[in-house]
Order: sequence, then C-alpha cells, then structure tokens
Amino acid sequence: DSGVTQTPKHLITATGQRVTLRCSPRSGDLSVYWYQQSLDQGLQFLIQYYNGEERAKGNILERFSAQQFPDLHSELNLSSLELGDSALYFCASSRDTGESTFGSGTRLTVV
Amino acid sequence: ILNVEQSPQSLHVQEGDSTNFTCSFPSSNFYALHWYRWETAKSPEALFVMTLNGDEKKKGRISATLNTKEGYSYLYIKGSQPEDSATYLCAPQTGANNLFFGTGTRLTVIP
Repeated sequence: DSGVTQTPKHLITATGQRVTLRCSPRSGDLSVYWYQQSLDQGLQFLIQYYNGEERAKGNILERFSAQQFPDLHSELNLSSLELGDSALYFCASSRDTGESTFGSGTRLTVV
Repeated sequence: ILNVEQSPQSLHVQEGDSTNFTCSFPSSNFYALHWYRWETAKSPEALFVMTLNGDEKKKGRISATLNTKEGYSYLYIKGSQPEDSATYLCAPQTGANNLFFGTGTRLTVIP
C-alpha cells in the first residue's frame, strides 16, 4: 500500500455521462497530481494541486476539472464523456513537490 | 509541456545481460530528474531522484547517471533478472513543479 488511495478502482459508464474520481494523498503530502494513461500512451500529466490551489496544468481537456479540498483529498471530474476518455487515471502525491507516490489508479471504461 | 524522449521504446535482453537506456530532456529550467519503475498492473514506483550535474545513484543492480548540461540521463541494469521486466519511466522536473513523464522503455528479461 503506497498510502495514496484512489476510488473507485474500476468504472464503466456511457458516453455523455459525468464521473468523479477521488484521490486521498499520502499523509502529510500537500501536492496532488492527476495523470491519464491511454492505450499505448505514456503518462500524460493533467493537473497539479498544492494545498488546495491549482499549481500547474497539463493536457487537461476543458470537459475535465479537478479540485483539492481542505482535507487535501482531490477529485477529478470528467464530463460529457467520450469513448476516447477510456483510460487509466492515476493520482500521485508528494510532500514538497519532489518524489511522487502513485495510487493504484482508476480504470475508466466509456461504452 | 516538456519534450521528453526515452530510447529505446522496448528492449528484450537475456537473463544475466547488462543493459542501459536513455532519457533526453530540455536542459533549460532543470530542477530534478526522476526515474520510475512501472510493472504491469501496478503503480509506478520511484527509483531515483537526481538533481546535480554528474550525479550518479545506485540501488542494487540498477544505477543512473545525469548530465544536466546536455539534457540526458542513463539508466543501467547490471545482470538483468526476469523480475527487472517493467517499463522504466523518466520524468524531468522544472522549477519546483510537476513532473513530465516520458513514454518509457519497456524492458523484457528473457529467462
């Protein structure tokens, strides 16, 4: 157990729907990162939060949004889902924007 | 967004062989270079974090070197074992912000 908890582990939903992925960072970590791994693709950085505030943005679509709450857990919201959004979504956390610890990921399947 | 290149994309070696692969990244705004090991069906696991030009880190049979001036890092595995089979990701870090992952080198060690 890495200490980073992601729920749910698996999610199957229909096109056009909206889902929320949840991440609880390792205790004491202030930074949360979201990554997407599509078929045959590497890890694509989506967005980073640090202590509740957005710190950096990567290849995140406008249909996607995220937030980090006062208790430091984070949620990634994916809306108007398309087939191409099917992927493995990882959350990672770090203490001082250094080495990151990854969660086990949420596998999203859009049908 | 950083342009991170890892080569080769995949590699098959015989058990007992030594091997190495490369990570290339822009040398400007360099802060740190991370190596991760990613086994199938698991989360990426941190191997090394390197910050100084000329840095060399070692963990068992795995070692890494860093050249920040020319923007590259090498990962070496001595005497490869089947359990070394994984995808090895490098991720340069700019400033004190997020990591940009390469697509990885997929290593298969044949018994």
